[in-house]
Formats: sequence, structure tokens, C-alpha cells
Amino acid sequence: GAVVSQHPSRVICKSGTSVKIECRSLDFQATTMFWYRQFPKQSLMLMATSNEGSKATYEQGVEKDKFLINHASLTLSTLTVTSAHPEDSSFYICSARAASGGLPSTDTQYFGPGTRLTVL
Amino acid sequence: AQSVAQPEDQVNVAEGNPLTVKCTYSVSGNPYLFWYVQYPNRGLQFLLKYITGDNLVKGSYGFEAEFNKSQTSFHLKKPSALVSDSALYFCAVSSLFSGGYNKLIFGAGTRLAVHP
Repeated sequence: GAVVSQHPSRVICKSGTSVKIECRSLDFQATTMFWYRQFPKQSLMLMATSNEGSKATYEQGVEKDKFLINHASLTLSTLTVTSAHPEDSSFYICSARAASGGLPSTDTQYFGPGTRLTVL
Repeated sequence: AQSVAQPEDQVNVAEGNPLTVKCTYSVSGNPYLFWYVQYPNRGLQFLLKYITGDNLVKGSYGFEAEFNKSQTSFHLKKPSALVSDSALYFCAVSSLFSGGYNKLIFGAGTRLAVHP
């Protein structure tokens, strides 16, 4: 159980185009999903917290107009990188919080396999 | 400020030997501690977590971790390492004060290399 998928796994696009990445919880409902960015040989950087039916909460320094997040259902969140540039090239990982009925801070986040974005 | 430290960039161990990957934390309130493993070009896989109760937590693939409140540590251990355990390991912590919606704070990661 607790499987999270991401699509696509790899995308190459031209500078100036937009790219959409999907994150799905396959066997559980996730009221909260998270989007991370990971640079080579570095830890994960939280970009935003996505809550079903409401606006995402962005971390400091993350441009909300550039990284559009939509969480339209309990099993799907999308990240759209708008007007992508080469500096947006990175590994993007989503996670979904599996609610256990206790404190949210104690819940486990399950991660997707990641999306490698390359902007030419 | 909430933080997690993984003091070793890399840990090398021979196959069959015990392994330890270190993690210390600093949070306000009770800590909720997690270990994840990442294989190349993949997302993170959940290994185990400590919420409350027994300080020794057993997880996937034979891994375990011991919560030590006085030393604010949560080291990951395995009695006998396998070559297939070679990967990047992340320690993470959350608390009621780490931000809403179960915000996880990650360590920098430790690369484990198990040699035949």
C-alpha cells in the first residue's frame, strides 16, 4: 500500500514552454501533498504544500506564479512549471501524506519516483 | 529553529558488517523522526519512523533505529549490511512546531557504500 506515482518520469522541453507534472496517490486519499526539488547530490528542498480544494502554501523564495500547483482531488496534485528556463532543470519529487487519524505531524509522507526536468 | 544533522557525507562498510548512519536533530516540542532511502534517479522510500513508545524502532529491509532523547539522536542501524543497501539515506523530523501540514525537515543525506 501507500503508493505514489508521478508522470512523466522524464521530460525535456524548450526554454519558454510550460511543463505539467502529475502526482497521484494510487491506493489512499491524500488531503495534503508536497512538492520538492532536489539538486544533484543535495537534499530535498520543499517548494510548496498542496491541500485539496484550497490554495497551495509556498515556501519562502519559491515563485508561486512560476510554479503553479493544483490539488483538485484527494488523489491528484499537479505542478506546472510555467515559462521554463534552463535554471529550472532539476529533479522534482512529490509526496503525499497518509493520514493515520492522529496528529498530522506523525503521519508518514510517501514519495513519488520523481520527474527529471531538462530545459534546453 | 528546527534542524536535522547528518554528520557523515558518506559511510563505507564491508558486506556482512554492521552499519550505522548517524542523525541528530533539534526541534521544539516532541520530535517525530523518519528515515528514508533513495536509490539513483528515484524518489524516497520510507524505512521507519519514531513517534512515541519503544525507543528502538524496526523498519523495512532489516533496518532499525534508536531514539535517544538525551542525545537528541536517531541513528539508523542494520546488523549485517548488504551490497544492495548502497544508497542515499535521509533522516527527517517533524513536530507540532515545524510548520503546518506535517512539514518535514530533512538532513543533507548520507551516502552508504557497502563493499563486497
